[in-house]
Amino acid sequence: GIQVEQSPPDLILQEGANSTLRCNFSDSVNNLQWFHQNPWGQLINLFYIPSGTKQNGRLSATTVATERYSLLYISSSQTTDSGVYFCAVERGNKLVFGAGTILRVKS
Amino acid sequence: DGGITQSPKYLFRKEGQNVTLSCEQNLNHDAMYWYRQDPGQGLRLIYYSQIVNDFQKGDIAEGYSVSREKKESFPLTVTSAQKNPTAFYLCASRQGRSGNTIYFGEGSWLTVV
Repeated sequence: GIQVEQSPPDLILQEGANSTLRCNFSDSVNNLQWFHQNPWGQLINLFYIPSGTKQNGRLSATTVATERYSLLYISSSQTTDSGVYFCAVERGNKLVFGAGTILRVKS
Repeated sequence: DGGITQSPKYLFRKEGQNVTLSCEQNLNHDAMYWYRQDPGQGLRLIYYSQIVNDFQKGDIAEGYSVSREKKESFPLTVTSAQKNPTAFYLCASRQGRSGNTIYFGEGSWLTVV
């Protein structure tokens, strides 16, 4: 099946810093989404981005489908950005998740 | 409010007992999903359903069962055959089969004691 790799696995930032999270996938996909899981376990949609670039406030994402990767940018990080960031790709009807990046933002 | 409601939030079960986790959505979504998350890991698909009265096994279906008798409801039963059931369980739904955003409930923590 399709493989999804996220990097880095862990990231510690000082508040105000910027960061880039990466998602590599092993085959062509028809859907890619980024999620943020808060400390209480809730998964929140950040972006639906099978290709191209999108921005939402301090977050933006770029997917280069032909090269099989996606990037999530977090600018001016805040402590509320802490949590786990997941990339998920879809092939057929199944959404396959990466292992996530654990982000900790210190004040 | 529109959304996906999972219950209970926390559940303790004795070994050998079956337990059913509830998932209800009022988003009028066609497709519903159950995922399992273990500490420090991503989500793995247990079962999914594209339409009422139809469902398919995901990657880790052994020891689990589901039903889809109503569009808004997709309960998951964790049976005694599931060897390691302690985990965080997430229900999700979306409109259509693919290519649309998927939305998650708040999850249910199951602990076997």
